[in-house]
Amino acid sequence: GNSVTQMEGPVTLSEEAFLTINCTYTATGYPSLFWYVQYPGEGLQLLLKATKADDKGSNKGFEATYRKETTSFHLEKGSVQVSDSAVYFCALSEPDNDMRFGAGTRLTVKP
Amino acid sequence: GAVVSQHPSRVICKSGTSVKIECRSLDFQATTMFWYRQFPKQSLMLMATSNEGSKATYEQGVEKDKFLINHASLTLSTLTVTSAHPEDSSFYICSARSVGLAGAGNEQFFGPGTRLTVL
Repeated sequence: GNSVTQMEGPVTLSEEAFLTINCTYTATGYPSLFWYVQYPGEGLQLLLKATKADDKGSNKGFEATYRKETTSFHLEKGSVQVSDSAVYFCALSEPDNDMRFGAGTRLTVKP
Repeated sequence: GAVVSQHPSRVICKSGTSVKIECRSLDFQATTMFWYRQFPKQSLMLMATSNEGSKATYEQGVEKDKFLINHASLTLSTLTVTSAHPEDSSFYICSARSVGLAGAGNEQFFGPGTRLTVL
């Protein structure tokens, strides 16, 4: 079945540091891939997505590239801010199937 | 566009009572809605999938008599936690998907969540 494996957290960085959160997936078909962000006490917000191989999703300085050859969708940001502190979920979805989430990675950015 | 609302955002109830949570797609028709449960510091656990006008499909281990789901229209799904107990306390999140929504692909749109506390 489909599954997502996400880098274990928590991750603690200083402001302006480079961020990478690894995500790899297993899928039977051609899924769409997503990164969601969850701030404390809130629901999930879509951060970025990619629907086919080699697509790059980007938003608010975050980027992730859909790599079919390595079945990966790593999240990166060149310079994190304190306001980026949150939990990040990698997810995949195929037509007619429910969404599969990674375990989540808690990011804390210190000033 | 593609906004999903949940009501209430927070509810506290006594043990033994039932609680209803509403999930609405505000600006699109949701062919499928999903209900998730999230424990502190954990990922989302899918409870059930519902399509408008048909019975919900529950994940293994989720009691359908305990968690009643009604998807009465293309914009509304409800989750009723019956005879709630303290172990039902959790963060419940719904999401909606629309086959016909342009550009959405397989994306699900999430509600803001409902924090249930059972005393």
